[in-house]
Amino acid sequence: DQQVKQNSPSLSVQEGRISILNCDYTNSMFDYFLWYKKYPAEGPTFLISISSIKDKNEDGRFTVFLNKSAKHLSLHIVPSQPGDSAVYFCAASAYYGGSQGNLIFGKGTKLSVKP
Amino acid sequence: EAQVTQNPRYLITVTGKKLTVTCSQNMNHEYMSWYRQDPGLGLRQIYYSMNVEVTDKGDVPEGYKVSRKEKRNFPLILESPSPNQTSLYFCASSSRKGTGSYNEQFFGPGTRLTVL
Repeated sequence: DQQVKQNSPSLSVQEGRISILNCDYTNSMFDYFLWYKKYPAEGPTFLISISSIKDKNEDGRFTVFLNKSAKHLSLHIVPSQPGDSAVYFCAASAYYGGSQGNLIFGKGTKLSVKP
Repeated sequence: EAQVTQNPRYLITVTGKKLTVTCSQNMNHEYMSWYRQDPGLGLRQIYYSMNVEVTDKGDVPEGYKVSRKEKRNFPLILESPSPNQTSLYFCASSSRKGTGSYNEQFFGPGTRLTVL
């Protein structure tokens, strides 16, 4: 059973517009959420994260929103740039036993930003 | 430079021929992990290690072994590879603090394995 779901395998956006990538989760114990970005032939790199005590975290052009009641988070990229074209993975973790647990990843969404 | 390295980056082998993919990190991280990435399935955890001599199964451990004899190294061993282990493999590491704050994982560049 998938605990972290990214229901859109791909997304195409025009340069300069907003990109919105969505992620849903089922495990109410998750308390930390991360977005990773992956270019072809490279490993994933950390992009932005949010703790469950917040509903928004912003870092430059990237903002992550968390709606705990809906078990939904989204990543907004404004404005989108061609260099943002990559696969984006949503990941979640639960805190237990004195430390943060393993990351559970979604299947990823491939973002294409067209010039 | 802080990094996670994997070797080899590409490997083509045949069914049943034992192989090892090495992983090394220079950040003194306690936590290390192996993932495989397959089309339509995302990243799935194979094994992880909380510290030296402490390893545990992830979501898809069948057909794999690991060891953690040193803090910096976490090799992935396929004793008898099969075609269904053809995949893209990533090693990752992070520090582990018991404070409740999450420490992001740093990923290696990946190893593309093909088992014929």
